[in-house]
Amino acid sequence: NAGVTQTPKFRVLKTGQSMTLLCAQDMNHEYMYWYRQDPGMGLRLIHYSVGEGTTAKGEVPDGYNVSRLKKQNFLLGLESAAPSQTSVYFCASSYSTVGQPQHFGDGTRLSIL
Amino acid sequence: KQEVTQIPAALSVPEGENLVLNCSFTDSAIYNLQWFRQDPGKGLTSLLLIQSSQREQTSGRLNASLDKSSGRSTLYIAASQPGDSATYLCAPSIQGAQKLVFGQGTRLTINP
Repeated sequence: NAGVTQTPKFRVLKTGQSMTLLCAQDMNHEYMYWYRQDPGMGLRLIHYSVGEGTTAKGEVPDGYNVSRLKKQNFLLGLESAAPSQTSVYFCASSYSTVGQPQHFGDGTRLSIL
Repeated sequence: KQEVTQIPAALSVPEGENLVLNCSFTDSAIYNLQWFRQDPGKGLTSLLLIQSSQREQTSGRLNASLDKSSGRSTLYIAASQPGDSATYLCAPSIQGAQKLVFGQGTRLTINP
């Protein structure tokens, strides 16, 4: 079972470049989430979606945009990358029913030079 | 704003010991609480989920307890093994879309 798949696994960007991180889940989950993990800060929620065509801001949304055009995919975009966005990005998904666990992908390691 | 604290930040014990990891959170208005394990360079694996109405949940050698009113959860690992070495994260689910708020984790090392 694939579960939650993140693409790419690693990427190095230069300041000002743009890129899109892709998250795909095959569990028919309604909810999807993007987190970033930084040393000393733990995981923080960037954006989330409660269903196809919906998105909402999390704790640290600035500098990021998201889209959920299909239920199984959740895209995270960086329009103009900054060194402060160097991080490990994790995508997660879950059913909408209260009490269902979140399932995580293996992460994308992003470095901004 | 929900804040989550995990103590200790790191723990090293010999194989076979029983151990307890602690998690505290500031806002008791949670739906549930998840415990995860994270291996170096990997994603998070869900270990246990406790509903807000439950007191504890068990899976194999793992037992998680929840005292919502006092804002505390513990993860008990019995008969620890070297394969249990990882970072353990707790995350209460706050109201609205089941968003998780994470602690910084406890890095556990089990020595053979």
